[in-house]
Amino acid sequence: QQQVKQSPQSLIVQKGGIPIINCAYENTAFDYFPWYQQFPGKGPALLIAIRPDVSEKKEGRFTISFNKSAKQFSLHIMDSQPGDSATYFCAASDTGGFKTIFGAGTRLFVKA
Amino acid sequence: SAVISQKPSRDICQRGTSLTIQCQVDSQVTMMFWYRQQPGQSLTLIATANQGSEATYESGFVIDKFPISRPNLTFSTLTVSNLSPEDSSIYLCSVEFGRGYEQYFGPGTRLTVT
Repeated sequence: QQQVKQSPQSLIVQKGGIPIINCAYENTAFDYFPWYQQFPGKGPALLIAIRPDVSEKKEGRFTISFNKSAKQFSLHIMDSQPGDSATYFCAASDTGGFKTIFGAGTRLFVKA
Repeated sequence: SAVISQKPSRDICQRGTSLTIQCQVDSQVTMMFWYRQQPGQSLTLIATANQGSEATYESGFVIDKFPISRPNLTFSTLTVSNLSPEDSSIYLCSVEFGRGYEQYFGPGTRLTVT
C-alpha cells in the first residue's frame, strides 16, 4: 500500500518528442506528488509537484496530469531536448506521514 | 530553497572500516533525511535524523550499522560502520522545511568499499 509504481523503466525519444512517464499509488492518504530530475553524479532536484485538488499543472515544458480516482499521475515533457536526458523519479507523501515514497525511476534519453 | 553540501563527495574505504559523511545546510530545517541509492536504482530511506533525539530508522536499517547524529538544525552526520562491499553506494542527505513540501537533496557521497 505504500508503493509508488513507476513506468517505463527507460525511454528513448527523438528531440522534440513528448516523453510520458507514469506513476500509480495505492495509499489514498498521499496528498503531495513531486517529480524529481537527477543527472549523473548529482542529487535529485525537484522538477514540478502537484496536489490532488487539481488535475493538471504546467511549468514551462513540464506538465503533470493527475487522476485522483484512478490513483495515477504522469509527467509529460513537451518539445523534449537532449538536455532533458536524465533519470526521473515520481514520489508521493502525505502531510501527516513521516516519509516520502519514491518510484523506481525512469531513465530518459533524448536523441539529438 | 536550501543549499546542501556533503563531505566527502566520494571515498574508497577498506572492508571493516567506517566512513562518516557530513551534511551541512545553509538554513535551519525541520526534517533531515539520509538515503541510499545504489547505481541505477531508486532512493531508499535509511533514517530520519531528529534534532536532539535518536534517529528514526527504516525497516532493514539499524543504529549499530548506521549511527546518525544531528546536533543542531543545520547539520547531520551519517556513519556507515563495519564496511563491506555491499555498502558500496551513493549516500544522500535531504531536507524538508515541513511535511508535504519538496525535499532538497545534497550532491551525494559515493562510497566504494574494497
